[in-house]
Amino acid sequence: GQQLNQSPQSMFIQEGEDVSMNCTSSSIFNTWLWYKQDPGEGPVLLIALYKAGELTSNGRLTAQFGITRKDSFLNISASIPSDVGIYFCAGQEHNAGKSTFGDGTTLTVKP
Amino acid sequence: SAVISQKPSRDICQRGTSLTIQCQVDSQVTMMFWYRQQPGQSLTLIATANQGSEATYESGFVIDKFPISRPNLTFSTLTVSNMSPEDSSIYLCSVEGRARTEAFFGQGTRLTVV
Repeated sequence: GQQLNQSPQSMFIQEGEDVSMNCTSSSIFNTWLWYKQDPGEGPVLLIALYKAGELTSNGRLTAQFGITRKDSFLNISASIPSDVGIYFCAGQEHNAGKSTFGDGTTLTVKP
Repeated sequence: SAVISQKPSRDICQRGTSLTIQCQVDSQVTMMFWYRQQPGQSLTLIATANQGSEATYESGFVIDKFPISRPNLTFSTLTVSNMSPEDSSIYLCSVEGRARTEAFFGQGTRLTVV
């Protein structure tokens, strides 16, 4: 099946720093999604991308759908302690809601 | 986004027993999915819960082990049958969003098999 390569696996940053993480795939996706998961919770949708080249922001978060439709990145600006968590990218090929997930990026923010 | 409620939120079960997890959505949705998240791992799709018909299982998952019901457009259950410690995971219900290109998740059911 399809696989997503998400990097980095983990990040340790100081509060106020910017963060960047990305996902690549050997296959084309029609939709890219970025989620954040806190301990003991389900993933929460942060940003959804629908078109190749699309750049979308949600507050301090910015994500882009790669031109080739095989990659996406997520940037977090001016990180704060509550940004701590695991960030997952997910790609959808055709079926709404049926997603392939990356392995996640664990973010730690030091105050 | 839809409000998704899962029950139970967590359970500790004896090996060889079965557990049924419920997923209730506050609005009608066409697509409902069940995912598994093993400890420290990413999410893996188990199956698509189809209303009025048998669920569609992904490679590596079978109906005998993970029977699924979908009696209507707001409710689904996943049963983890004949459990072993390897089944210890978080099980997550997911539904499509209004745009039909998004997916939202319940809070998950944390299962520990001893």
